[in-house]
Amino acid sequence: AQSVTQPDIHITVSEGASLELRCNYSYGATPYLFWYVQSPGQGLQLLLKYFSGDTLVQGIKGFEAEFKRSQSSFNLRKPSVHWSDAAEYFCAVGANSNSGYALNFGKGTSLLVTP
Amino acid sequence: GAVVSQHPSRVICKSGTSVKIECRSLDFQATTMFWYRQFPKQSLMLMATSNEGSKATYEQGVEKDKFLINHASLTLSTLTVTSAHPEDSSFYICSVRGNGHTDTQYFGPGTRLTVL
Repeated sequence: AQSVTQPDIHITVSEGASLELRCNYSYGATPYLFWYVQSPGQGLQLLLKYFSGDTLVQGIKGFEAEFKRSQSSFNLRKPSVHWSDAAEYFCAVGANSNSGYALNFGKGTSLLVTP
Repeated sequence: GAVVSQHPSRVICKSGTSVKIECRSLDFQATTMFWYRQFPKQSLMLMATSNEGSKATYEQGVEKDKFLINHASLTLSTLTVTSAHPEDSSFYICSVRGNGHTDTQYFGPGTRLTVL
């Protein structure tokens, strides 16, 4: 069965510093991978996704993620964090099909940005 | 991406009553919608897959008679929590699946249900 692990429950970063959020997945085939962000009391916003092709994916708000098959990872990065980036970040994996399988989410990483 | 709305955004009800939550796809015809539940400080857990014109598919452990799902049109799915109890208090989020092969899901803003 597919699964997603986000090893870090909480991360604190100073504003302007770089950020990397870790995500590891377990899936037999090539997965569809996603990163979503959730602000308090809000729904989820898609940051970026990987289906195939270039393993370095650019997303919105200056985020990028790199798919590394050998490490079963899809880590999210941002070179310079802004205070508005403080939120909950979820990595998710989807089945490689057209039937609309739902996403399997990691437990999330809570990002705190300090001045 | 698709624009998804949910109504209401917050609802407080008494134990034993039923509550209906609407999920609308505003600019997209969605044959498949998903319902998730999120407890405080937890991840999203899939409850059911809602297919237009057919019965919903429920995840293991989710009571289909308690969480009634109706996907009557390509733009509307409803989740009714019947005979709600305090343990049903949660954040309910719906999503719609994008067209074609993308499998990208677009999420609604969520509904906060509090059962007293």
